[in-house]
Amino acid sequence: SQTIHQWPATLVQPVGSPLSLECTVEGTSNPNLYWYRQAAGRGLQLLFYSVGIGQISSEVPQNLSASRPQDRQFILSSKKLLLSDSGFYLCAWKPRDTTGTEAFFGQGTRLTVV
Amino acid sequence: KNQVEQSPQSLIILEGKNCTLQCNYTVSPFSNLRWYKQDTGRGPVSLTIMTFSENTKSNGRYTATLDADTKQSSLHITASQLSDSASYICVVTGNTGGSYIPTFGRGTSLIVHP
Repeated sequence: SQTIHQWPATLVQPVGSPLSLECTVEGTSNPNLYWYRQAAGRGLQLLFYSVGIGQISSEVPQNLSASRPQDRQFILSSKKLLLSDSGFYLCAWKPRDTTGTEAFFGQGTRLTVV
Repeated sequence: KNQVEQSPQSLIILEGKNCTLQCNYTVSPFSNLRWYKQDTGRGPVSLTIMTFSENTKSNGRYTATLDADTKQSSLHITASQLSDSASYICVVTGNTGGSYIPTFGRGTSLIVHP
């Protein structure tokens, strides 16, 4: 069966520090991978999606970047965190570009920038 | 611009009562619509999915409806339980040039009181 792992679960970082959130998927190959952010009281905002190794699409301009060094690994990074980067970050995967299939979410990372 | 609007923003009901959540969307071309349940601090979990030709889909006490002509969907919860307290997110996926990108609503926060 497929599983998705996301870590860490919670993170408190000072403003200006770097960030690295990691997401890995097991039990499938060639997945579409997504990074979402959910700010307090707001909906899920798509940040990045990837359809293959090294292929990253950004949905909104921001202080963050994403990388996909391996087929089932998706990393969200920042060189210098801002207060506005605080939020709940979710990684998700779904089978490659197929309609009607469910996106499976990780448990999320609660990031607080202080 | 693809948008998904959900109402109400929040809802408080007594245990055992029924409720209906609404979702209006402008995503085009339409591929599918899915309702997710997200417990606080956790990743969303899929409840139902509907494609263009489906009007109703049930999953236990959850019943979703879809009117593709008016671009509206509803999620009806019957005989609510305390465990139904969560955020319910409407997600509409469009098909743009072969890429299936979901658009998330902001969610309806449901609180069930004993």
